[in-house]
Amino acid sequence: EDQVTQSPEALRLQEGESSSLNCSYTVSGLRGLFWYRQDPGKGPEFLFTLYSAGEEKEKERLKATLTKKESFLHITAPKPEDSATYLCAVQANTGANNLFFGTGTRLTVIP
Amino acid sequence: ETGVTQTPRHLVMGMTNKKSLKCEQHLGHNAMYWYKQSAKKPLELMFVYSLEERVENNSVPSRFSPECPNSSHLFLHLHTLQPEDSALYLCASSQAPSGGPRETQYFGPGTRLLVL
Repeated sequence: EDQVTQSPEALRLQEGESSSLNCSYTVSGLRGLFWYRQDPGKGPEFLFTLYSAGEEKEKERLKATLTKKESFLHITAPKPEDSATYLCAVQANTGANNLFFGTGTRLTVIP
Repeated sequence: ETGVTQTPRHLVMGMTNKKSLKCEQHLGHNAMYWYKQSAKKPLELMFVYSLEERVENNSVPSRFSPECPNSSHLFLHLHTLQPEDSALYLCASSQAPSGGPRETQYFGPGTRLLVL
């Protein structure tokens, strides 16, 4: 059964304090792994897609990496505006476009 | 931000009411989705339409009825809901499955539903 587990559930960082969020997954053939950012009361905003182990993608202070079992979202020198819930989702290689989501990591960056 | 729009943004309804949620995508996609997001739970896929045909219905109660009149519009008709149906309902769109980055799903802002 396809499964996604994110940790930690919540993370508080001081501004400038770098850290990483984890997404562990079990899927019957990975088609893609997706990272989204979600602000309170809003829909998820697409950040990255990773397709194969070893792949990395960067956007401003965020960097996503992928292995065969997990993905990390590294946040370098975060700012308060990076505070949000970060969601990880996987898509299995079954021909359908279904995403299986984790419960997210709620990040708070303190000035 | 305006690629996928949803209306209304907030909805309060009684258990005997009938209401509809609307979603519109302006991205030229041909697949659309309804998700339910409850507190402390992962997003739950409810319905998938690809090329205007329903291809997935994840055991959703019949009090939720989707409609996809064309590739740009998606509706979720609601009737005789229960308080546990209170949640954020999200619409998303993508290209139909074919492999590659075009399959990324883009979400609307959601409709916050409260059932009394």
